[in-house]
Amino acid sequence: DADVTQTPRNRITKTGKRIMLECSQTKGHDRMYWYRQDPGLGLRLIYYSFDVKDINKGEISDGYSVSRQAQAKFSLSLESAIPNQTALYFCATSDSVDGYTFGSGTRLTVV
Amino acid sequence: EDQVTQSPEALRLQEGESSSLNCSYTVSGLRGLFWYRQDPGKGPEFLFTLYSAGEEKEKERLKATLTKKESFLHITAPKPEDSATYLCALYSGNTPLVFGKGTRLSVIA
Repeated sequence: DADVTQTPRNRITKTGKRIMLECSQTKGHDRMYWYRQDPGLGLRLIYYSFDVKDINKGEISDGYSVSRQAQAKFSLSLESAIPNQTALYFCATSDSVDGYTFGSGTRLTVV
Repeated sequence: EDQVTQSPEALRLQEGESSSLNCSYTVSGLRGLFWYRQDPGKGPEFLFTLYSAGEEKEKERLKATLTKKESFLHITAPKPEDSATYLCALYSGNTPLVFGKGTRLSVIA
């Protein structure tokens, strides 16, 4: 099994719908992150969590919310999806000193 | 504010043509400089961590070096399978990594 699993891998949804992207990790790390990637813009941080009781906004949190259900689970929600949220979304995990382990990504299309 | 700038944005090489990718940074206190490889549609994969100026690390055809202002990823005699986007990222302490926008490398046979 992959260290970081994201579901779904691909999703097409309609404008205005609520959608949840899920992430689970088996690394045993406390820290988890959600990024989106758009062509030419690189990886941009949406939210991050350093432990189960800690949630922090990243640089582009508007329109998104998160839930840290357990050490291993970190979900990202789009409350009312809009077309400019079409992107590739990545979840990652880390301990305090090493680099990140990324999931395989979720390709989200909002029509 | 921590910043990372990667250059060039895109690089096209012939197979066997060695070159270097640049990662320039400004940071209040560097705790680590990371290099990742990303294939299209996939998550970034960890390559190297560098912790202090003068440090070097190698893996197959790749060698990463670090100075106080920049890091280089040297690619020696590249092959088509080295084609990917290469990302660098800064770690300055108890904050998330700051990523550059990446260099898209194409190696032509």
